[in-house]
Amino acid sequence: DAMVIQNPRYQVTQFGKPVTLSCSQTLNHNVMYWYQQKSSQAPKLLFHYYDKDFNNEADTPDNFQSRRPNTSFCFLDIRSPGLGDAAMYLCATSRVEGGGEAFFGQGTRLTVV
Amino acid sequence: AQSVTQLDSQVPVFEEAPVELRCNYSSSVSVYLFWYVQYPNQGLQLLLKYLSGSTLVESINGFEAEFNKSQTSFHLRKPSVHISDTAEYFCAVSGNTGGFKTIFGAGTRLFVKA
Repeated sequence: DAMVIQNPRYQVTQFGKPVTLSCSQTLNHNVMYWYQQKSSQAPKLLFHYYDKDFNNEADTPDNFQSRRPNTSFCFLDIRSPGLGDAAMYLCATSRVEGGGEAFFGQGTRLTVV
Repeated sequence: AQSVTQLDSQVPVFEEAPVELRCNYSSSVSVYLFWYVQYPNQGLQLLLKYLSGSTLVESINGFEAEFNKSQTSFHLRKPSVHISDTAEYFCAVSGNTGGFKTIFGAGTRLFVKA
């Protein structure tokens, strides 16, 4: 089945140690998103790609970076994770022609110790 | 800029009772509206969407929502809820601004009691 896959589902990292979360899609969608979701809060958009065009939200910390080497893959890099970065990270895709309906992966739960 | 307001953070309701989860949006352009559901430790799943056409949209599990342009609302309703409907519900809006970003409301926790 076509889908959005995030790896790993659970990630534990040390304070200050760089970590990378990955997302892949088989939907061939042109837009990919990374959201951060803390407990009992709405998903907060960090950035998104429209094809190769990178769009950073104004309040996304510099500590967060992203790469999209091709249509299928997108990575979230956290250069120096702090305790406040512990959250669920959600990857989503959409097709512009589809009105922005977002297809989500299962998420990666990041714990910082 | 677009924004979404979900007026209730929590809605407790008894099983088989009707429920309405409220959502208002603001946008300077034409919008597409969505309701997503999230179960614990899961990603978000699309429940229903309004893109164009009929203002009343329905999901396969009995939910419906009505797009009201004059009131800028997209409230979610179900005539009779089940225990299994307990989840977090997010209203979302997207449109042709800033590359079709999808912006979410704060969420409404629906808690169905036996």
